[in-house]
Amino acid sequence: DTGVSQDPRHKITKRGQNVTFRCDPISEHNRLYWYRQTLGQGPEFLTYFQNEAQLEKSRLLSDRFSAERPKGSFSTLEIQRTEQGDSAMYLCASSLDIRGNTIYFGEGSWLTVV
Amino acid sequence: TQLLEQSPQFLSIQEGENLTVYCNSSSVFSSLQWYRQEPGEGPVLLVTVVTGGEVKKLKRLTFQFGDARKDSSLHITAAQPGDTGLYLCAGASWGNEKLTFGTGTRLTIIP
Repeated sequence: DTGVSQDPRHKITKRGQNVTFRCDPISEHNRLYWYRQTLGQGPEFLTYFQNEAQLEKSRLLSDRFSAERPKGSFSTLEIQRTEQGDSAMYLCASSLDIRGNTIYFGEGSWLTVV
Repeated sequence: TQLLEQSPQFLSIQEGENLTVYCNSSSVFSSLQWYRQEPGEGPVLLVTVVTGGEVKKLKRLTFQFGDARKDSSLHITAAQPGDTGLYLCAGASWGNEKLTFGTGTRLTIIP
């Protein structure tokens, strides 16, 4: 399968702990996106990379959140000192750097903070 | 801030009926995509429309992009239980290819 893959698919953590999610985009896709989705809502943009450069960050991305894409391939999203409000599905997506190009999503990483 | 409003928010119809879901915005988009999402899974792309007025068909699904590139519709003919899911529209803008998602339409087809 050559789609976007995310790991882990599910994570339960205690409030205050740190969590890290990994995303492997479709091969040769130079754009990578992170979105967050809560129940009953559409996905909300968090940040995106073009190759290894982080080009935009949403105001939703507080200082407890950090995303990296060190070699322009896979990416990690770390949440420090998790809060219950962080409970959500974290979606990764990738695309080629072509105007209007389709963005493909992974299956998501579901985070529950207890 | 670009906003995409979808209507209806919830729709429950009998198998075999037709339905239309709408996606509206005051903003202009360079392209618009429709996704279908199952619970606990990521959105799965159905179609991308890039030209104002464009109509695309995918079996029983017909997608239309408005002439002014501000709105779109999804029409399903003879709905089947397998069509049940959350339908999301998402728009991209020139020079900023991140997607802005709509509020979603949760569709339930009753056998």
